[in-house]
Amino acid sequence: EVHLLESGGGLVRPGGSLRLSCAASGFTFSSYAMSWVRQAPGKGLEWVSIITSSGASTDYGDSARGRFSISRDNAKNTLYLQMNSLRAEDTAVYYCAKGGPVILHQFDMWGQGTLVTVSS
Amino acid sequence: DIQMTQSPSSLSASVGDRVTITCQASQDISNYLNWYHQKPGKAPNLLIYDASNLETGVPSRFSGSGSGTVFAFTISSLQPEDIGTYYCQQHDDLPLTFGGGTRVEIK
Repeated sequence: EVHLLESGGGLVRPGGSLRLSCAASGFTFSSYAMSWVRQAPGKGLEWVSIITSSGASTDYGDSARGRFSISRDNAKNTLYLQMNSLRAEDTAVYYCAKGGPVILHQFDMWGQGTLVTVSS
Repeated sequence: DIQMTQSPSSLSASVGDRVTITCQASQDISNYLNWYHQKPGKAPNLLIYDASNLETGVPSRFSGSGSGTVFAFTISSLQPEDIGTYYCQQHDDLPLTFGGGTRVEIK
C-alpha cells in the first residue's frame, strides 16, 4: 500500500527554520517526482515545490523561492523541505504529494500533513 | 502563471441531486486538469485526472469533462460522504496551480 508520512512540523518563531520530512513506502520512490503542497488555516491548496525523481531538478512557487529548499534521499525513501526565514504567512498544514514519472503530473497520493505554526 | 477560477465557491444540494462545478483556466491547458476532494481535516484525494479519467477506486458517479480553458466536474447523484471541498488543479505548466475550491454541503 502506498503511504506517505510527514513529520517535523511544529511551532517556530518568525525568522526561524524548520525541516520537514516525508517518509514514503509502498512504491518505487526513486521513480517519481514529489511535491510539497500547503494549506493555510481555512484556506485553499497552494503548491510549494517540486523535485524530479532523481533529485536533479527542482522548482518553487513564488512564496517559497529563495527561502525553502526541497531535496530527497532515494536510498532512504524520504523527501525533505528545508524552510528558512519563516514568516507568519507560512503557517499552514504541509502535505507531501506523489507525482508521476514526469514533473507535470497529477498528485495521486498525499500524506496526512504536518502543521507548521510560525508565531512569536 | 496559469490562474484557475472555480465556481461556485459553495453549494448546498440534496442527496441524490446532480451537482456540477466548473473550472476555468486563464490560458489553454489542453486536458491537463485534475479534480480533488478534501474532507474536513483530511488530505485531498485525487478523483479525476487529465480532465476526464476516473482514478482507480473512485465511484462512477464522479465524472469530468472539458478541454482548453473550460472544464466541468459532475457528481451524478450526491451522497452524504461527498461533502467537503473540491479543487481543480492544472499540470500543464509550472507553477502548478489550484482553483480556489468549491465547498459542497448537504441540504
